[in-house]
Amino acid sequence: AQSVTQPDARVTVSEGASLQLRCKYSYSGTPYLFWYVQYPRQGLQLLLKYYSGDPVVQGVNGFEAEFSKSNSSFHLRKASVHWSDSAVYFCALSARQGGRALIFGTGTTVSVSP
Amino acid sequence: GPKVLQIPSHQIIDMGQMVTLNCDPVSNHLYFYWYKQILGQQMEFLVNFYNGKVMEKSKLFKDQFSVERPDGSYFTLKIQPTALEDSAVYFCASSFTGGANTQYFGPGTRLLVL
Repeated sequence: AQSVTQPDARVTVSEGASLQLRCKYSYSGTPYLFWYVQYPRQGLQLLLKYYSGDPVVQGVNGFEAEFSKSNSSFHLRKASVHWSDSAVYFCALSARQGGRALIFGTGTTVSVSP
Repeated sequence: GPKVLQIPSHQIIDMGQMVTLNCDPVSNHLYFYWYKQILGQQMEFLVNFYNGKVMEKSKLFKDQFSVERPDGSYFTLKIQPTALEDSAVYFCASSFTGGANTQYFGPGTRLLVL
């Protein structure tokens, strides 16, 4: 069965510090992988996505993620966080054949302290 | 970026009543989706819709649920009759194509069934 696991429900970091959010997936093959961010009372916004090729994917606002087939992971990183990065971050996958549904992880709430 | 609108933003109804949630997708998009998020839980896929038909649906898409997009207007999710467990935030999304194409999300409709 396809699934996405985000083991950290909540992460607190200081402004200017680095951030890593973990994402593990279960899928037979290589799925399409996504990171979305959700700000309060807003819809999800795409940060980045992985289709194929270079395992390190650059996204918006200085975010990047690295795909690892051997580890079934797609971790998100940012070198230096800003207070505006406080939000909920969701990792998601979709199948390469057939369905187009996004399967989401439970999300990680990031709080950036001054 | 492209905007998906959802109307209303909040809806409170009595159990057993009918409710229609409206979504105004990105204008040239062809695929439409509904997701459900119960407070504090992950977002879960309900259904996707293309060319006037349901393409796939999850086990959460009960018989009381229906979707349509008459004459290219709003993409709607109708629940009839509603149940207490239908209380959640419902997110609409749209994409130009399927597969790895980016899904753009609306801000959600918060439904409370009493």
